[in-house]
Amino acid sequence: QSALTQPASVSGSLGQSITISCTGTSSDIGGFNSVSWFQQHPGKVPKLIIYDVTKRPSGVSNRFSGSKSGNTASLTISGLQAEDEADYYCNSYRVTITPNYVFGTGTKVTVL
Amino acid sequence: EVQLVQSGAVVKKPGESLKVSCRVSGNGLSTYWIGWVRQMPGKGLEWIGIMYLGGSDTRYSPSFEGQVTISADKSIGTAYLQWASLKASDTAMYYCASAVDGTYVFDPWGQGTLVTVSS
Repeated sequence: QSALTQPASVSGSLGQSITISCTGTSSDIGGFNSVSWFQQHPGKVPKLIIYDVTKRPSGVSNRFSGSKSGNTASLTISGLQAEDEADYYCNSYRVTITPNYVFGTGTKVTVL
Repeated sequence: EVQLVQSGAVVKKPGESLKVSCRVSGNGLSTYWIGWVRQMPGKGLEWIGIMYLGGSDTRYSPSFEGQVTISADKSIGTAYLQWASLKASDTAMYYCASAVDGTYVFDPWGQGTLVTVSS
């Protein structure tokens, strides 16, 4: 099954805001409020930073925010910091013959 | 909240079999789904499949159907990912992750198991 589509890379300067898009279909992103976002630093376990499109787990900085419009979800990182340099993956529930989950292709965020 | 602890890194030869484990500890295990995720070297995250610890529902992503088997011993709170015959292309980091039934939230995750398949 095809992955959700994310830009391969996004960069921004310290203190700036960046937005990562995640595009799917009406069978996944557009059909459910199930989008979550994971941050992964090299050699580390993926960390949940957004769930149910807009919610932040306890302990996650409020510089991370999520949204959705139609079949596209977005992750915005405001006040970009050096430690935000990482890979980011969106994830969504998908209804097909067998309902399951699907990740995005991943986005490398570089802090300039 | 549950905690997930995976078995350690392994090195296997092509054609060998393998079973990696994910021990789930905490309360209310029967209300959880366990998912398995593959991450090949330098690549992204891929769902292998998910299993409901409260029943028999197991779902595989199309790419992995017939390639691996997901199972669990619910009496000891342990989920498994199994290969009958490994290939070099199975070399990857494998993560398990948990979600409460009725939510879409996979958190927390295990620490990962590195599987290396090489002759």
